[in-house]
Amino acid sequence: GEDVEQSLFLSVREGDSSVINCTYTDSSSTYLYWYKQEPGAGLQLLTYIFSNMDMKQDQRLTVLLNKKDKHLSLRIADTQTGDSAIYFCAESILGYSTLTFGKGTMLLVSP
Amino acid sequence: EAQVTQNPRYLITVTGKKLTVTCSQNMNHEYMSWYRQDPGLGLRQIYYSMNVEATDKGDVPEGYKVSRKEKRNFPLILESPSPNQTSLYFCASSDPRGQGTNEQFFGPGTRLTVL
Repeated sequence: GEDVEQSLFLSVREGDSSVINCTYTDSSSTYLYWYKQEPGAGLQLLTYIFSNMDMKQDQRLTVLLNKKDKHLSLRIADTQTGDSAIYFCAESILGYSTLTFGKGTMLLVSP
Repeated sequence: EAQVTQNPRYLITVTGKKLTVTCSQNMNHEYMSWYRQDPGLGLRQIYYSMNVEATDKGDVPEGYKVSRKEKRNFPLILESPSPNQTSLYFCASSDPRGQGTNEQFFGPGTRLTVL
């Protein structure tokens, strides 16, 4: 069955880079997402990558996809205290609406 | 403003007292879904709906009901709440026919406590 795994916690200092990792098992995944959940709020889409891409960069965010190893990572450059949140990796298959989420990685950025 | 709204945002109730959490979206999305979020378990899907009058069970449907009589609304019903349904609930919607990202838009969450 489908499964998405993430480490549960990451702590970094302000200004450092953060790398959050995710592995998935469904090889037919077409879209892979990173959602951000700030304290007391719902989830918001941060970025996404199609399965035919290896990398996507969006300002301070870099997403890397290794399809062979079914590994997805999110790198946040120059991490700020405002980046402290829970980050969810998710996958879906073309034509299907249902997303499969990982358990989330709590990122704590200290000054 | 495009959004998903949920009501109430916070609710404390007692075991066995029926309750409904409402969800509404103004984006004309066909797909809507309910999740519950628990520490260490992440997001788990309760029910989803592909369109009006079309609902399906997710991963943890026991103890919940839903209905989809109109496209914009997708209420979550707990006929006889129990303490193990104490959780943070999220409603989400998406349109898979759209620009291809299948982005799900989430409501702000409903924190439910069942005593």
